[in-house]
Amino acid sequence: DGGITQSPKYLFRKEGQNVTLSCEQNLNHDAMYWYRQDPGQGLRLIYYSQIVNDFQKGDIAEGYSVSREKKESFPLTVTSAQKNPTAFYLCASRKQGRDNEQFFGPGTRLTVL
Amino acid sequence: QKEVEQNSGPLSVPEGAIASLNCTYSDRGSQSFFWYRQYSGKSPELIMSIYSNGDKEDGRFTAQLNKASQYVSLLIRDSQPSDSATYLCAVKTGNQFYFGTGTSLTVIP
Repeated sequence: DGGITQSPKYLFRKEGQNVTLSCEQNLNHDAMYWYRQDPGQGLRLIYYSQIVNDFQKGDIAEGYSVSREKKESFPLTVTSAQKNPTAFYLCASRKQGRDNEQFFGPGTRLTVL
Repeated sequence: QKEVEQNSGPLSVPEGAIASLNCTYSDRGSQSFFWYRQYSGKSPELIMSIYSNGDKEDGRFTAQLNKASQYVSLLIRDSQPSDSATYLCAVKTGNQFYFGTGTSLTVIP
């Protein structure tokens, strides 16, 4: 069963804690992306990776970190430096190629208590 | 700053009517254009992609692209209550995708 999985679905964090969100895909996609979505706002790009062991910052990378050690996996760490981390986090992936489409995982809803 | 603009709505149409959703983008270098549907609390689901000027039809959905006017639209024919959702316009420029804030559509039975 091919697809993109994210875990956990819901995550609660105390202020000052780092947390890691998981994203895995078995679609053999090359590129993977992390977005955050806040109410009333569009999706904003945090980080993206086009190949293993390489990634680029998006528009709102401050307070976040990523790794891409395997093609299938692109975990996102929300650090304590992120001032307002409560949001819906979406992972996406796509096959490389100009017109190839981007598909999303189910998302992780992070709440800071 | 690359911008993608959508009318936030809400847009309400009666069941069976045509819903028309619009999107403009700022970067003339944008290459590919997408429409996603997002139900409340769920992740976006791809419904249409379009790459060249003109119309592209898929079932009840028609995407229209006019690169000269930097305008993309989505028409939903025979709207159903299950079409009630937020529709996101996305534009690919280089290796990145840029999203509008979405248009909320309600189809009234």
